[in-house]
Amino acid sequence: KNEVEQSPQNLTAQEGEFITINCSYSVGISALHWLQQHPGGGIVSLFMLSSGKKKHGRLIATINIQEKHSSLHITASHPRDSAVYICAAQGGSEKLVFGKGMKLTVNP
Amino acid sequence: NAGVTQTPKFQVLKTGQSMTLQCAQDMNHEYMSWYRQDPGMGLRLIHYSVGAGITDQGEVPNGYNVSRSTTEDFPLRLLSAAPSQTSVYFCASSYRTSPSGANVLTFGAGSRLTVL
Repeated sequence: KNEVEQSPQNLTAQEGEFITINCSYSVGISALHWLQQHPGGGIVSLFMLSSGKKKHGRLIATINIQEKHSSLHITASHPRDSAVYICAAQGGSEKLVFGKGMKLTVNP
Repeated sequence: NAGVTQTPKFQVLKTGQSMTLQCAQDMNHEYMSWYRQDPGMGLRLIHYSVGAGITDQGEVPNGYNVSRSTTEDFPLRLLSAAPSQTSVYFCASSYRTSPSGANVLTFGAGSRLTVL
């Protein structure tokens, strides 16, 4: 079993829909990272959180430490949100354990 | 401020050839790391460094060599390339928000390597 599991693996949505991407982890963490990888390949850090909730524009990330679960929500989705979304768990060191990513396609 | 610069973006090698993937950052980050990304798998850590002169192995270090002579540079060397090393490689640098805090990550644009 992978230490970091993401679901679903693929998701297709219509523009304007509310989207939730889930991440479960089995390791103790100091932080949970959400990353975005566009079709061009570059990886961008979206959020880093160790508790509660963070919001940036239309993106909201939440984490439940007791349940070892995090979610990334996208409100009013847009075709430019189409990308692979990756969660990664950081333990006590600098090392990260990555999920396999979730490919999101938002159709106009 | 260029962030993390990786070169080359694309490279084709023959089995047995050697090459170096370059990674440079201008943010004075202490921590640098190399990952490979393969279809259907998450990013996997190859080697990492917590500061100049200090390197350590990650999850998949075999066939790769690294050094960290300066804070800015962290090259990844393939001494004798194999087809199994065909992958997309990412360099990342980061800093800790506090001594026990999380790392803030910046990734390079990636290097696509094909070994024939």
